[in-house]
Amino acid sequence: QVQLVQSGAEVKKPGASVKVSCKASGYSFISYYIHWVRQAPGQGLEWMGWINPNSGGTNYAQKFQGRVAMTTDTSISTTYMELSSLRSDDTAVYYCARSRGVGFLDYWGQGALVTVSS
Amino acid sequence: DIQMTQSPSSLSASVGDRVTITCRASQGINNYLAWFQQKPGKAPKSLIFAASSLESGVPSRFSGSGSGTDFTLTINSLQPEDFATYYCQHYNTYPINFGPGTKVDIK
Repeated sequence: QVQLVQSGAEVKKPGASVKVSCKASGYSFISYYIHWVRQAPGQGLEWMGWINPNSGGTNYAQKFQGRVAMTTDTSISTTYMELSSLRSDDTAVYYCARSRGVGFLDYWGQGALVTVSS
Repeated sequence: DIQMTQSPSSLSASVGDRVTITCRASQGINNYLAWFQQKPGKAPKSLIFAASSLESGVPSRFSGSGSGTDFTLTINSLQPEDFATYYCQHYNTYPINFGPGTKVDIK
């Protein structure tokens, strides 16, 4: 069965960087894009961008350009999302999700809480 | 960017009720519209794609309809496990955007 398993919770100080991983199993890893979506406490869902695991190509939401980097390691079917220059309002649960077709997010990881606090 | 709105923002309903949630896009999205259910502390779960196609394994009491800019999620005969927050999402172009959510709670 399709599974996306993410790394654990992180606590970071303002100005630091965080790198969240998302390990895929149960399907052909290079055949589906991986998207990242975040959710601040008590808030809605915010799309951050996607990566094509086959080519390494990316598409980031304008809000995060210059601060986010998505990468993959096809040898271990894992995608990474690194967010730099962290601020308190980056405190959120970060989800990875597989997209079927253009952008229908059919399977999601369990989420990784990133807390930014001094 | 295409913006998404939902109404109502919350509603109270009883088991067995029929519930309707509306989603509107700021411009036409070619039916590239999905619905998700999210329970507290859990990841979103996909319910509907392409505006009206039921995702595999999702109960048939869930249905989606609409076209152009206006879409609807209907839950027939609400069950106890359906109390959750529901989000619509367009995937017509990038950036993808989600609606603000509709919380369905117990009356």
